Amino acid sequence: EPEVTQTPSHQVTQMGQEVILRCVPISNHLYFYWYRQILGQKVEFLVSFYNNEISEKSEIFDDQFSVERPDGSNFTLKIRSTKLEDSAMYFCASSTRGERYEQYFGPGTRLTVT
Amino acid sequence: GNSVTQMEGPVTLSEEAFLTINCTYTATGYPSLFWYVQYPGEGLQLLLKATKADDKGSNKGFEATYRKETTSFHLEKGSVQVSDSAVYFCALSPFTGGGNKLTFGTGTQLKVEL
Repeated sequence: EPEVTQTPSHQVTQMGQEVILRCVPISNHLYFYWYRQILGQKVEFLVSFYNNEISEKSEIFDDQFSVERPDGSNFTLKIRSTKLEDSAMYFCASSTRGERYEQYFGPGTRLTVT
Repeated sequence: GNSVTQMEGPVTLSEEAFLTINCTYTATGYPSLFWYVQYPGEGLQLLLKATKADDKGSNKGFEATYRKETTSFHLEKGSVQVSDSAVYFCALSPFTGGGNKLTFGTGTQLKVEL
């Protein structure tokens, strides 16, 4: 069964460093998403991406964040200068279409900023 | 804005007990509703969904009915197993004509004991 994959599973970085989280969505999916879950808190939407551009972003997704689909398979989230409060589990998701279609989530990348 | 409210956890049940996890939502229009499950150390998995009023989603013995009059989508299972121990998230996606961001509840931890 096709699945969303994410790498790395755990990333430790120092405050101020740049990190890139990688995702490989399901191959025939068209919509891509990033969410994050701070430990013990709810899952929060960051950004959605369709047709090579951002379709929606939350207030969390400020200028420090960027997303890219550099080739036909990868979908990346870059955090330019990490802060302690960026420590969270980051989930990538994809769906075949937009509204009313379920999103398939990857296993997540745990980001720890020290 | 859209929001989802779930009952507080943790919920502890004996095996074969009846499970209800309450979920209510606030949204404009006609959102789709979902239950996702997160097993320890894993990502989010779609458990079931409903896309219009009075729809019943079901999977693996779990059920939830989309009740527009009470804006609810309560999760039920007639007889829980130890393997059902996980965190359950209620979520909605709005029907906005574009990519759908999911709005999640805070999650309800379920622990099933022998």
